[in-house]
Amino acid sequence: GAGVSQSPRYKVAKRGQDVALRCDPISGHVSLFWYQQALGQGPEFLTYFQNEAQLDKSGLPSDRFFAERPEGSVSTLKIQRTQQEDSAVYLCASSQGLAAAHLVNEQFFGPGTRLTVL
Amino acid sequence: KQEVTQIPAALSVPEGENLVLNCSFTDSAIYNLQWFRQDPGKGLTSLLLIQSSQREQTSGRLNASLDKSSGRSTLYIAASQPGDSATYLCAVLLGTGTASKLTFGTGTRLQVTL
Repeated sequence: GAGVSQSPRYKVAKRGQDVALRCDPISGHVSLFWYQQALGQGPEFLTYFQNEAQLDKSGLPSDRFFAERPEGSVSTLKIQRTQQEDSAVYLCASSQGLAAAHLVNEQFFGPGTRLTVL
Repeated sequence: KQEVTQIPAALSVPEGENLVLNCSFTDSAIYNLQWFRQDPGKGLTSLLLIQSSQREQTSGRLNASLDKSSGRSTLYIAASQPGDSATYLCAVLLGTGTASKLTFGTGTRLQVTL
């Protein structure tokens, strides 16, 4: 498709379960981002990939969160042993991501995955 | 640490009114600023992007301005319509590469009434 897609759109997990969230970025986009959005808040940065390299994971809230992008395209965000505080919408974004001055690095977002941990 | 604030948190206006949404940020060394729209249960739709060297951008009934030195941006919506009802988020980008993460405000929830 033309835009960023995410699956599943909704996920309900029991506390302690592992979950995996998938992101398909816009084809050819170098940069990929994951954000977490709690109810009534703005999104907060989790992690950033440039191609397959994870260059920044400073926003991951704990070592239960793990992200990968092994072939520089599709990315998976995995949360192990989910807790109730992990309930949020997880947004993925991609951008051309090149540092040339004339490129604006505009980020395009997917529809998000709403995770509810019971 | 960059902090982004949006005022007001919520706004209700009658159809046809012009309105201004405000965004302020603490670190003026930004690369660009984006305004997004978010409908309930949906992702973010990019409305306007202003590069740090620009003062404003326009798209249809929307106009966004940027004053880097004072750390402020405004989103002006002309002749509001019920379909404009949504949450509007502003976000700043500090740089490219490893600095390319967006820092968001908490949003302004807009309702346009008939």
